[in-house]
Amino acid sequence: EDQVTQSPEALRLQEGESSSLNCSYTVSGLRGLFWYRQDPGKGPEFLFTLYSAGEEKEKERLKATLTKKESFLHITAPKPEDSATYLCAVRRKETSGSRLTFGEGTQLTVNP
Amino acid sequence: DTEVTQTPKHLVMGMTNKKSLKCEQHMGHRAMYWYKQKAKKPPELMFVYSYEKLSINESVPSRFSPECPNSSLLNLHLHALQPEDSALYLCASSQVGLAGLEETQYFGPGTRLLVL
Repeated sequence: EDQVTQSPEALRLQEGESSSLNCSYTVSGLRGLFWYRQDPGKGPEFLFTLYSAGEEKEKERLKATLTKKESFLHITAPKPEDSATYLCAVRRKETSGSRLTFGEGTQLTVNP
Repeated sequence: DTEVTQTPKHLVMGMTNKKSLKCEQHMGHRAMYWYKQKAKKPPELMFVYSYEKLSINESVPSRFSPECPNSSLLNLHLHALQPEDSALYLCASSQVGLAGLEETQYFGPGTRLLVL
């Protein structure tokens, strides 16, 4: 059974204090690891898709990396507007269907 | 543009009511999804449509009835819901890539449903 574990559950940072969020996964044949950002009461906003170990993607203050067992979302010099819940999800290689297995999320708070 | 729209934003209904949630996308995506999300929990998959055909039903109770009238629209018909069905209902869409496998899912803003 696919499993995704995100840590920490919650993270408080001061503005400008860089840190990383972790997503550990177990999946039989990875076909994509996805990072989403979700603000309270809103739908998840797509950030990154990673497909193979060693892959890295960046967007503004965010950088996502992938190994064979985990992914990191690095946040450099965060701002208060980066406060949100960050969700990680994996998809296995299947011949049909598109089930994502989500982690429980990391709730990030950035204080000014 | 990666926009998925959902209406209504909020819905309050009694247990005997019939209502519908609507979802629309104009990105040319051929896969569409319904998710249910409870507070402080990740989204849970309910249904997947691929090329307007139902491909996944995650054992959802029959009081939830999905419909995909065309490649841009997705509806979720609600009837005789229970208070525990109160949640944020999310629609998503994705392209269908090589070998018929769905790609990155883009989510709508959700409909906040309260069942009294």
